[in-house]
Amino acid sequence: QSALTQARSVSGSPGQSVSISCTGTSSDVGGYNYVSWYQQHPGKAPKVLIYDVSKRPSGVPDRFSGSKSGNTASLTISGLQADDEADYYCCSYVGSNPPFYGFGTGTKVTVL
Amino acid sequence: EVQLVESGGGLVQPGGSLRLSCAASGFTFSSYWMNWVRQAPGKGLEWVANIRQDGGQTYDVDSVRGRFTISRDNAKNSLYLQMNSLRADDTAVYYCARDGRATGVFDIWGQGTVVTVSS
Repeated sequence: QSALTQARSVSGSPGQSVSISCTGTSSDVGGYNYVSWYQQHPGKAPKVLIYDVSKRPSGVPDRFSGSKSGNTASLTISGLQADDEADYYCCSYVGSNPPFYGFGTGTKVTVL
Repeated sequence: EVQLVESGGGLVQPGGSLRLSCAASGFTFSSYWMNWVRQAPGKGLEWVANIRQDGGQTYDVDSVRGRFTISRDNAKNSLYLQMNSLRADDTAVYYCARDGRATGVFDIWGQGTVVTVSS
């Protein structure tokens, strides 16, 4: 039960866009449209940003968008803001027997 | 207000047991799959276990199978995690989380409770 692969860190200046990738396999990311993304500030609980690959819960700014191609899902943050500096995790349903949910290794976003 | 509040964490010796609780309020608890997710110090998130609305189906990650048991009491709007044979690598913040769509959309999280396994 390996974690999904994410880059350790990405950075960008305010106003820029950054993208975070999440690579899995055909048994998880590639096989199901059940990919979600979470933002976690230090010492806080995670918050859902994206679910079902590209859907945004109410209240999440449209600066956050999600997509998927093959076994890789992506989160894009447009118009980067200081408060976007946080850890980001992807999560996918894993259709093994028994099934479970796998999180990504996490990406630290730094706003320069 | 929709809320999850965990309790029961603490310091326990290797091989010991602990029971975590999660009290839900502000939503119909019995309508949702519920989950435990943990985060070791300085590490990423790890899904631990989940339980169906009626408590009749549970799943868990390989590393806790046979040692941890997830359960719920819908009459008390409460979720539990019984942890036995604890090991040092179980040290983590344990979060309970609601699955808003039964597809791994963890839309409500508690504040977490800290479990430390050490002699």
